[in-house]
This record gives sequence, structure tokens and C-alpha cells, in this order.
Amino acid sequence: NAGVTQTPKFQVLKTGQSMTLQCAQDMNHEYMSWYRQDPGMGLRLIHYSVGAGITDQGEVPNGYNVSRSTTEDFPLRLLSAAPSQTSVYFCASSNRDGGYYEQYFGPGTRLTVT
Amino acid sequence: GENVEQHPSTLSVQEGDSAVIKCTYSDSASNYFPWYKQELGKRPQLIIDIRSNVGEKKDQRIAVTLNKTAKHFSLHITETQPEDSAVYFCAARGGGYQKVTFGTGTKLQVIP
Repeated sequence: NAGVTQTPKFQVLKTGQSMTLQCAQDMNHEYMSWYRQDPGMGLRLIHYSVGAGITDQGEVPNGYNVSRSTTEDFPLRLLSAAPSQTSVYFCASSNRDGGYYEQYFGPGTRLTVT
Repeated sequence: GENVEQHPSTLSVQEGDSAVIKCTYSDSASNYFPWYKQELGKRPQLIIDIRSNVGEKKDQRIAVTLNKTAKHFSLHITETQPEDSAVYFCAARGGGYQKVTFGTGTKLQVIP
């Protein structure tokens, strides 16, 4: 199993550009999430999905869109990049285990917006 | 929503000593408390977790305790080694399956 994979590893965007961060998992997990990590702020939830076709907002959703057309893939779209979106982005997946959900993280995408 | 506070933000210990990191949470409905270790430039990795029906859990040199009444939980690392140096995050899950809230992290340095 590859686990959770993310592409690209690094990306530089200019303000106003759009792009999609890719996330895929091969563990047949129902649940997937996107987090951003900024210095001194831990990880903050952007969007999450509880299954194909079902998504919801997390703590910091503004400026980002998601969709979940398959169980395996959960792309994150930046509509019009802003310098405030400079961050490291992590995708995570999990499955139900008796009501608890251990999350497995991808390797991350480091995004810089100039 | 849930609020998780984590202390200290940095911690230096001598190799072989113990390290303790403490977290408090606000939502009494939270029932799952994982701890993650993140090495520089790497992804967070789960090292131990505790569920709300348990007061303590141990895995070799790592232990976690939970006090539901006081709404706090702690990570204890004994006999620290240089490879324990990393950033550690606590988290709490409450208010629905994916509402996992993370603490702000503790940078642990183990001095040889």
C-alpha cells in the first residue's frame, strides 16, 4: 500500500493564480480531510469528506473548494491564490474503528504564494 | 467549537530524563485524544492515542493519561533519546467524526 499520497511536493504560485492539490489513498478509507499547517498554529481543518459525493467545511474553508467523486481521491482547489495561503498542506484519511478514527497523513505539499 | 491548549511550546531535556507535555480541551463531548510526532519536514505520525473510556495507556517508553473531569490529558516520554527530538501535537475529537482540533505543538529537544 502506498497509503496517502499528495502531489505536488512543492509549488510556487503568483497571487490570483489557481491550482489543484492532489490527494489519493489506497486504503479504502471512507473519510478524508485537508489541513493547513502554519508555524505556531498546529494543523487547522480546511474541508473534509465522509464519503464519495459528501463534503463539508472545516475551520478555515474560505478560498478553497473540494469535491469527492471517488473514494480514493480528494483534490483541494485554490480558486485565486493569496499570500495568506502560503502554508504546508496535509491530506489525511481515516476509517471508522468502533467509533474512533485514526488518521493517516500524506507527505504534505509546501505552497508559496508570491 | 473545541479549543485545545498545549504546553509547553518548547521543552529541552537531557538524554535519559523524562518529558511531559500537557493539553487541555474545552468540549466535554470529546472522546478521542491522539498524539502525533512530526519530525522536521515530515508528516505527522500517530504515536499513541487514548479513548475517553480509559484513564491511562502505555506503549513502551510512551504513556498518555486522561482526566475527563478536569478536561486535560498528558503525554509522558521516559528515558528520552535523541531520536525523540521532534514536534509533538495533541488533538481532541469532538462534535462529530472529523472535528479533530489540534494543539499548537511542543518542540522537544533531547540533549545527548
